[in-house]
Amino acid sequence: QVQLQQWGAGLLKPSETLSLTCAVYGGSFSNYYWSWIRQPPGKGLEWIGEINHRGVTSYNPSLKSRVTISVDTSKNQFSLKLPSLTAADTAVYYCARGFGREMPRGRWGQGTLCTVSS
Amino acid sequence: QSVLTQPPSVSAAPGQKVTISCSGTSSNIGNNDVFWYQKLPGTAPELLIYDTHKRPSGIPDRFSGSKSGTSATLAITGLQTGDEADYYCGAWDSSLSAGLFGGGTKLTVL
Repeated sequence: QVQLQQWGAGLLKPSETLSLTCAVYGGSFSNYYWSWIRQPPGKGLEWIGEINHRGVTSYNPSLKSRVTISVDTSKNQFSLKLPSLTAADTAVYYCARGFGREMPRGRWGQGTLCTVSS
Repeated sequence: QSVLTQPPSVSAAPGQKVTISCSGTSSNIGNNDVFWYQKLPGTAPELLIYDTHKRPSGIPDRFSGSKSGTSATLAITGLQTGDEADYYCGAWDSSLSAGLFGGGTKLTVL
């Protein structure tokens, strides 16, 4: 059974860089696309971006100038970096699996609350 | 403001049927598959519907999805109190080359 386990710093200061990693256990890594989604407190879901095993990416246009998603196929992991943080980036961040150029399907990470506060 | 438009809230009595709409454009819903998720506090979204009308294994047939033109609908029949949650639609946008979520709909089972 495929499991996604994510980790990263939960408390950050404004202007710092958010860095999260998601590890994929079990199943194929190369047959899927790997996504990041976030949900600010009291707000809706926001798609951040996706990547495949070859490093092909797509990003949310509203975040594209700041976000970087990368992949490490040797470890079956993918990562999210978001610099220049503001309070508006405070959210629960999720990693998830999909087939590319569509929304994520049934495998999600547990979520990581990242709070940006001075 | 989300590109995919959902009503902020819907409500119905236990045992009744409710529908949640999701309105988009030809760049997203009109030409791509629609996904529906159930979101409970403190948990990751759960996929209810994929490819517009298909249910993952384990999702009861009380949940169904459909699409007409640039709008999609999630229907839930035989409402249960455990169905109280936020529901989100999602679709790929071919013009943006990005995924989109609706703003979410809070379902209250009265």
